[in-house]
Amino acid sequence: EIVLTQSPGTLSLSPGERATLSCRASQSVSNSYVAWYQQRPGQAPRLLIYGASSRATGIPDRFSGYGSGTDFTLIISRLEPEDFAVYYCQQYGSPPPYTFGQGTTLEIK
Amino acid sequence: EVQLVQSGAEVKKPGESLKITCQGSGYFFTSSWIGWVRQMPGRGLEWMGIIYPMDSDTRFSPAFEGHVSISADTSISTAYLQWSSLKASDTAIYYCARVRADCTPATCRAGAFDIWGQGTMVTVSS
Repeated sequence: EIVLTQSPGTLSLSPGERATLSCRASQSVSNSYVAWYQQRPGQAPRLLIYGASSRATGIPDRFSGYGSGTDFTLIISRLEPEDFAVYYCQQYGSPPPYTFGQGTTLEIK
Repeated sequence: EVQLVQSGAEVKKPGESLKITCQGSGYFFTSSWIGWVRQMPGRGLEWMGIIYPMDSDTRFSPAFEGHVSISADTSISTAYLQWSSLKASDTAIYYCARVRADCTPATCRAGAFDIWGQGTMVTVSS
């Protein structure tokens, strides 16, 4: 089972700033099969990025993802107030389970 | 509109059984994997398992296999998550989610969760 470790645990930034979130896998994720989700308080998660770098339908272009092998990154170029939430990475490159990281909380500074 | 609608909140006692539902609409239910995710209070997301409704092929996380069952009824576009004997530690929000297919020229495979239900809160307490 691949273990995903996200860092930092909490990121404190201001609207307009750039956010960089990291996801490191315990072993290489084949075909860069990594997804990123956003979860706002009291809401279901929402798919942002799949295949490490492809934006899901309706996701603004301020969200971008990249990476390969064991290291993956989500970047939010200019933070909007609605972006402050919890972010999870997930891998689906190995046989199930398609594990999630433990999450990064993006909070307003 | 593609959506998944889950059944309402449940309050149960330890040892009781429970089946929660997830009804899909707006897409071909039989031809997309559908999965379940647990979120315990104040905690992160845990991948439980997925089912392919067309043939009921099911894959589980070892952490959940044997404690829950996953099934689907294609005639009513509904997936189920079921417990035969609940524990207090099953208290959580359970989300169903559609799995998008990631395809290469050679093959397609189950991928990320692209459509999520609203969640079902399950509380198990004596």
